[in-house]
Amino acid sequence: SQQGEEDPQALSIQEGENATMNCSYKTSINNLQWYRQNSGRGLVHLILIRSNEREKHSGRLRVTLDTSKKSSSLLITASRAADTASYFCATALTGGGNKLTFGTGTQLKVEL
Amino acid sequence: NAGVTQTPKFQVLKTGQSMTLQCAQDMNHEYMSWYRQDPGMGLRLIHYSVGAGITDQGEVPNGYNVSRSTTEDFPLRLLSAAPSQTSVYFCASSYGQGRNTIYFGEGSWLTVV
Repeated sequence: SQQGEEDPQALSIQEGENATMNCSYKTSINNLQWYRQNSGRGLVHLILIRSNEREKHSGRLRVTLDTSKKSSSLLITASRAADTASYFCATALTGGGNKLTFGTGTQLKVEL
Repeated sequence: NAGVTQTPKFQVLKTGQSMTLQCAQDMNHEYMSWYRQDPGMGLRLIHYSVGAGITDQGEVPNGYNVSRSTTEDFPLRLLSAAPSQTSVYFCASSYGQGRNTIYFGEGSWLTVV
């Protein structure tokens, strides 16, 4: 089964609203990364948060990590139609070498 | 700087045929990997390489073969295509996957009939 599970599977919001996506994982991690995928395209790296960090910001993105709950959240503030995409979390496991395990993704639709 | 380049973009194969998906990166990354993406399944690791001459299996390696003769290239070979291998394939590279940003190619859409 997948190490990372995103929630919700699909999210539809209006432009200007905030979008929150959650990721849960099962085992100890070295870091957790979030990626975006536009339809028919490859994945684009958004942000990496290490296991000893609790929060990181990048532009309109805010990522939190709670290792005690084995969960992370991605917040996109003031969403735009161009944010419409699928968002994936990926975990690098402690002692797992250099491999990442991806979740199943959240499909975000931002409507005008 | 081309990044990660995959070819072909689209391919239709008949069951039993073999083919090679090409992947090249120009960033001098030591770590390269191949994933497949199926609806509702996220990305699953097929094979990866930590450097020239070194390859290892990922989560779903059966039916695929890889080699890494140079730092730049990491081809994925389908030995005898099966309909279950219909998927979108992504090549990726990084300076050590677990700790750094991964750069993805644009994907190869493969249909096996």
